Amino acid sequence: QQQVRQSPQSLTVWEGETAILNCSYEDSTFDYFPWYWQFPRESPALLIAIRPVSNKKEDGRFTIFFNKREKKLSLHITDSQPGDSATYFCAASANNNAGAKLTFGGGTRLTVRP
Amino acid sequence: AQTIHQWPVAEIKAVGSPLSLGCTIKGKSSPNLYWYWQATGGTLQQLFYSITVGQVESVVQLNLSASRPKDDQFILSTEKLLLSHSGFYLCAWRTDNYAEQFFGPGTRLTVL
Repeated sequence: QQQVRQSPQSLTVWEGETAILNCSYEDSTFDYFPWYWQFPRESPALLIAIRPVSNKKEDGRFTIFFNKREKKLSLHITDSQPGDSATYFCAASANNNAGAKLTFGGGTRLTVRP
Repeated sequence: AQTIHQWPVAEIKAVGSPLSLGCTIKGKSSPNLYWYWQATGGTLQQLFYSITVGQVESVVQLNLSASRPKDDQFILSTEKLLLSHSGFYLCAWRTDNYAEQFFGPGTRLTVL
C-alpha cells in the first residue's frame, strides 16, 4: 500500500516559470510533511517542511500548500531556475516518536530548461 | 555543528559475500540514527532506527541487520549479500525539532 503518492513522475518547465509538484497521502495520522530534493549521485537534502497547523509554508521561491481535508499538498517553485533541476521527494511522518518513520513518495523529477 | 560521515563511499561486492557499512555523527549527543535504502532511480525506504546505544528497531529488514555499538556510531551489515541489496545506503540523524531528519553522504553499493 503506497501511503504517499507524488505526481507527476517527471516535469519539465522553462526557466522563470512556476513548477507545481503534487503529493497526496492516505494516513490521517500523518502530521509532519517534509520535502527533500536530491541531485544526481547526491544524498537527499531537506528543502522545506510543513505541519498541519498551517495550510501554507513559504521559504523564498518555495511554497508548500496544504489541504488537510483532501489529504493533499503541493510544492510550488516560482521563478524556476536550471539549478532547481532535481528529484523532489514528498515525505510524511506520524507522531513525535523516536522512530519518526518517514514514508517517502515516489518522487518527481524536475527539469528546468534555460 | 553536526557532521555525519559514512564509510565506505562506494563498494563493489560479490553475491554471497559479507558487508559492513558504517555511519558516524559528530556534534550531537545521543542522536536518533536511521538507515535508509534507495534503489537506483527509486524512492527511499527506512530500514532501521536507533535511539540509544545497543538498541535497534527494524522497520524493513531486507536480510540486513544493524547495530549501535557506540553513541555516535551506527552499523549496517549482512553475512550474505544478494543482488537485490544493490543501491544507495543512507544514514540519517534526527534533530530535536520534531521529525526533521538529515542525511549523510551515502554509500553506493553494487552487488555483482
